[in-house]
Amino acid sequence: EAQVTQNPRYLITVTGKKLTVTCSQNMNHEYMSWYRQDPGLGLRQIYYSMNVEVTDKGDVPEGYKVSRKEKRNFPLILESPSPNQTSLYFCASSFTSAGEQYFGPGTRLTVT
Amino acid sequence: ILNVEQSPQSLHVQEGDSTNFTCSFPSSNFYALHWYRWETAKSPEALFVMTLNGDEKKKGRISATLNTKEGYSYLYIKGSQPEDSATYLCAFFSGSARQLTFGSGTQLTVLP
Repeated sequence: EAQVTQNPRYLITVTGKKLTVTCSQNMNHEYMSWYRQDPGLGLRQIYYSMNVEVTDKGDVPEGYKVSRKEKRNFPLILESPSPNQTSLYFCASSFTSAGEQYFGPGTRLTVT
Repeated sequence: ILNVEQSPQSLHVQEGDSTNFTCSFPSSNFYALHWYRWETAKSPEALFVMTLNGDEKKKGRISATLNTKEGYSYLYIKGSQPEDSATYLCAFFSGSARQLTFGSGTQLTVLP
């Protein structure tokens, strides 16, 4: 089954404790991206990757890191999480940057 | 950051009513316009990807139109059903910025 998976789905953590949210797709998509969704705001892009070893900042990259060592995986790293990073996070992939986005199930992160 | 606006923010209709929403986007550097349907506790799923001025797309009771010269797209739902209740997101892909910018969505509730 073609899909985008994310783990964990839910996470409660404390300020400053490094965490990684994994994202994997099995559709051989070139393009992958991370979004956060906050009440009253649209999905805002954090980082994106056009291909392996090619990543770039989106609209809200502060406090986040990403890597793309393999085509299928695109983890999101929070080196020192803060409460303002409490949000719903979505990973997405597509064949091209302008193409239909396939979203993962979402990760709800709470930083206390 | 590009400005993509959706109206109304929320909408309640009776089962059987037809309804429509608006997505406004910059009229310059147009490349593509996406519509997604986002049900509660699920992830967004693509409805349409539109690229040509005057384009009309249809999927069942849902259709969309596109006017790139004036910077708007309409999404229509004919004969709304309770299962149509969801948030409908539009996203604009700029040919210059090369990234997808989402609107904040229209939340539709269809009352039985």
